[in-house]
Amino acid sequence: ETGVTQSPTHLIKTRGQQVTLRCSSQSGHNTVSWYQQALGQGPQFIFQYYREEENGRGNFPPRFSGLQFPNYSSELNVNALELDDSALYLCASSLDATSYQETQYFGPGTRLLVL
Amino acid sequence: QKEVEQDPGPLSVPEGAIVSLNCTYSNSAFQYFMWYRQYSRKGPELLMYTYSSGNKEDGRFTAQVDKSSKYISLFIRDSQPSDSATYLCAMMGSGAGSYQLTFGKGTKLSVIP
Repeated sequence: ETGVTQSPTHLIKTRGQQVTLRCSSQSGHNTVSWYQQALGQGPQFIFQYYREEENGRGNFPPRFSGLQFPNYSSELNVNALELDDSALYLCASSLDATSYQETQYFGPGTRLLVL
Repeated sequence: QKEVEQDPGPLSVPEGAIVSLNCTYSNSAFQYFMWYRQYSRKGPELLMYTYSSGNKEDGRFTAQVDKSSKYISLFIRDSQPSDSATYLCAMMGSGAGSYQLTFGKGTKLSVIP
């Protein structure tokens, strides 16, 4: 177990709706990264938060947004859902974003289905 | 061309076989190399990491990095049915202060008893 938890485990939404996914990082980990994993693909980086500020972003549109809170929890929000947003959403926590040697520990993911 | 290429398989081997999993990459900025194992409907778990060329061994697992060829490998000795999973290679560089992981597609491995 990595100590990283995510909720909910599964979610079904319809196109155009908004969704909020939640992640609880390991205690003391001040960096959280979010990834999208489509079926049969590797995870793709969405963005990273370090000490409650966005620290980098992948090739995802602005309707993907996030928040990180002081209590080691974070959120991923997706507006105007599209069918292609159906995927497993993973959060990963790490101790410090300032060193590339910091290991990222993944949660079990939230499986989102958009109909 | 994708930054990280990995044959998705599937790969099926008998129990006890030696398994070889490989990835190639194109970005010279990658400095840190990892292998993750992902069981069905679970999050990836870190198996091994290395940041230099050469071999690193951990039990039945050996990670190999060849930076000159931009090629990494994971070897599994005496494979077990419990090794059946998808294996993801991942790499990290740096960009705009963010240390993001870039993953391969994953190779699905089945070890047959």
